[in-house]
Amino acid sequence: AQSVSQHNHHVILSEAASLELGCNYSYGGTVNLFWYVQYPGQHLQLLLKYFSGDPLVKGIKGFEAEFIKSKFSFNLRKPSVQWSDTAEYFCAVNATNDYKLSFGAGTTVTVRA
Amino acid sequence: NAGVTQTPKFRVLKTGQSMTLLCAQDMNHEYMYWYRQDPGMGLRLIHYSVGEGTTAKGEVPDGYNVSRLKKQNFLLGLESAAPSQTSVYFCASRRHRDQPQHFGDGTRLSIL
Repeated sequence: AQSVSQHNHHVILSEAASLELGCNYSYGGTVNLFWYVQYPGQHLQLLLKYFSGDPLVKGIKGFEAEFIKSKFSFNLRKPSVQWSDTAEYFCAVNATNDYKLSFGAGTTVTVRA
Repeated sequence: NAGVTQTPKFRVLKTGQSMTLLCAQDMNHEYMYWYRQDPGMGLRLIHYSVGEGTTAKGEVPDGYNVSRLKKQNFLLGLESAAPSQTSVYFCASRRHRDQPQHFGDGTRLSIL
């Protein structure tokens, strides 16, 4: 079974700062990778996904993530955050031969104006 | 197109009571999932279903039962609620295992 580790529990930033959230997974086979965002009081929404091809994927709201297979990592980045990016961010992994999605514990991002 | 709809949105129960949470999706998705979300623990899979009439256990199935009698509905039951089951419950669905999941708005359940 796969597992997912998110390195940061809580990140506090100022507006316009750059953001990078770490995500590592443990599974030796082929995986699909996702980042979800949960705004306060809302459900999870998909930010971006990686299935195959270009390891640098772009998502909504200016987010991007890079899949580095040799490091089992799928880090999320945004060059310049806004106050509205305050949310909880979840990395998720799905082995391609599995029905289940494994989530990391989440990273709370607080952006201060 | 409502997507994934969960009912109820909030509920308070007493220890030992039973209840059923309903998840309905109108996207004709094959796969449906129930998660619980607790602070610092992310989302943990309770049960899931890969098609009408099928169910399977996830990471934390104890104390819960599920049924998928119709493709569009996935029910989560608590037979005898315990305070440890106080949580936010999310339902999700997806068309295929290589597709992202679509989530409902959640059910906040408190057990006293």
